[in-house]
Amino acid sequence: EVQLVESGGGLEQPGGSLRLSCAASGFSFSSYEMHWVRQAPGKGLEWVSYISQSGSTLCYADSVKGRFIISRDNAKNSLYLQMNSLRAEDSAIYYCVRDIRVGAVNFDYWGQGTLVTVSS
Amino acid sequence: QSVLTQPPSVSAAPGQKVTVSCSGSSSNIGNNYVSWYQQLPGTAPKLLIYDNNKRPSGIPDRFSGSKSGTSATLGITGLQTGDEADYYCGTWDSSLSEVVFGGGTKLTVL
Repeated sequence: EVQLVESGGGLEQPGGSLRLSCAASGFSFSSYEMHWVRQAPGKGLEWVSYISQSGSTLCYADSVKGRFIISRDNAKNSLYLQMNSLRAEDSAIYYCVRDIRVGAVNFDYWGQGTLVTVSS
Repeated sequence: QSVLTQPPSVSAAPGQKVTVSCSGSSSNIGNNYVSWYQQLPGTAPKLLIYDNNKRPSGIPDRFSGSKSGTSATLGITGLQTGDEADYYCGTWDSSLSEVVFGGGTKLTVL
C-alpha cells in the first residue's frame, strides 16, 4: 500500500525556518517525481515545488523561490522541504504528493498533510 | 486569482448530472494534460481524472473528463450526497514553468 506521511509542521515565527519531511513507503520511491502542494485554511490548492526522480531537476513557485529548498534521499525513501524566511502567508497544510509519470501533472497519491502556522 | 478559472459552486439534485468547467490558455490547458481532484471535507485531495479523460482504478465511471482547446470539463452523473466536495483542475503551465490549479468548485447535492 502506498503511503506518504508528512511531519515537521508546527508554529514558527515570521522570519524563522522549518524543515518538513515526507516518509514514503509501498512503492519504488526513486522511480517517481515528487511535489509539495499547500492549502491555506479555507483556500484552494497551491503548488509549491517539484523534484525529479534523481533530484537533479528542481522547480519552485515564484511565491517561495529563494526561500524554500526541496530535496530527497532515495536511500531513505524520503522527501524534504526546507522552509526559510517564513512569512504569515506561508501558513497552510503542506501535502507531499506523488506524480504518476514524467511529463504530466497527475498527482495520484497525497499524504495527510502537515500544518504550518507562521505567527508571532 | 488562479491561472485556471473554475466556477465557485455548482449544484444539482441526487441522481442528476453536473459539469464543472476549467478555463485556461494555450500555455497551460491548451498544450498540456489536465487532471481533476476531489477533496472531501477535512481530507486530502484525491485524483479523479488524469491525462484529460482517464480514470484511476477504483474511480467509478460516473466521473468523466474531457478537454477542448483551452478548456476542460469534469462530468459527474448519478449524483450522490457523498459527491459533495470541492473539485480542482490542475495542469502544467509552460510559460510560468509551474503547476497551476483552478480555484476550486464546491459541489452541493441538493
